Amino acid sequence: SQTIHQWPATLVQPVGSPLSLECTVEGTSNPNLYWYRQAAGRGLQLLFYSVGIGQISSEVPQNLSASRPQDRQFILSSKKLLLSDSGFYLCAASKGNNSPLHFGNGTRLTVT
Amino acid sequence: DQQVKQNSPSLSVQEGRISILNCDYTNSMFDYFLWYKKYPAEGPTFLISISSIKDKNEDGRFTVFLNKSAKHLSLHIVPSQPGDSAVYFCAAIKGNTDKLIFGTGTRLQVFP
Repeated sequence: SQTIHQWPATLVQPVGSPLSLECTVEGTSNPNLYWYRQAAGRGLQLLFYSVGIGQISSEVPQNLSASRPQDRQFILSSKKLLLSDSGFYLCAASKGNNSPLHFGNGTRLTVT
Repeated sequence: DQQVKQNSPSLSVQEGRISILNCDYTNSMFDYFLWYKKYPAEGPTFLISISSIKDKNEDGRFTVFLNKSAKHLSLHIVPSQPGDSAVYFCAAIKGNTDKLIFGTGTRLQVFP
């Protein structure tokens, strides 16, 4: 079965600082990978998804970027954080073909 | 544009009774629907899914109903247990895109 590792679990960063959140996947090869964000009082918003190494699709314009340097590694980054970037960031993976997403435990990011 | 809507932000149900969580969608191209359960500070976990060619899928205490003409689905939990207290997200997939679009979630509280 798939295991999604995310770190760190919590992060407090000042406005204007850079961000790097890492996600790695075990138990499957060539997964589809996703970054979601849950802002306070809101649902899960899809930020990025990737169907392969170096292939990134962005769903919403924002201050964030994503990269997939290896098959089972997905990184969420920002050069300069904004207050509005605060939220709960979730990495997810699937085998494709309508298979369910499996989520990591998330990173709580607070931008101060 | 919220394509998947959960209009009830919260629901309170007595233990042993039925919990009914509702979800509406606007995009008729969605052909696969899923329900996820989320505890605080954890990633969502997959509960149950249904294809658009079906109108019902059952797994133990959980049953999902789909009404395509009304663009509505619901999750029934019976009997409800205190451990079911969590936020429930409805999600939909369009075609073979493998991108899950989530609703805003419903917080279920099951009291003794």
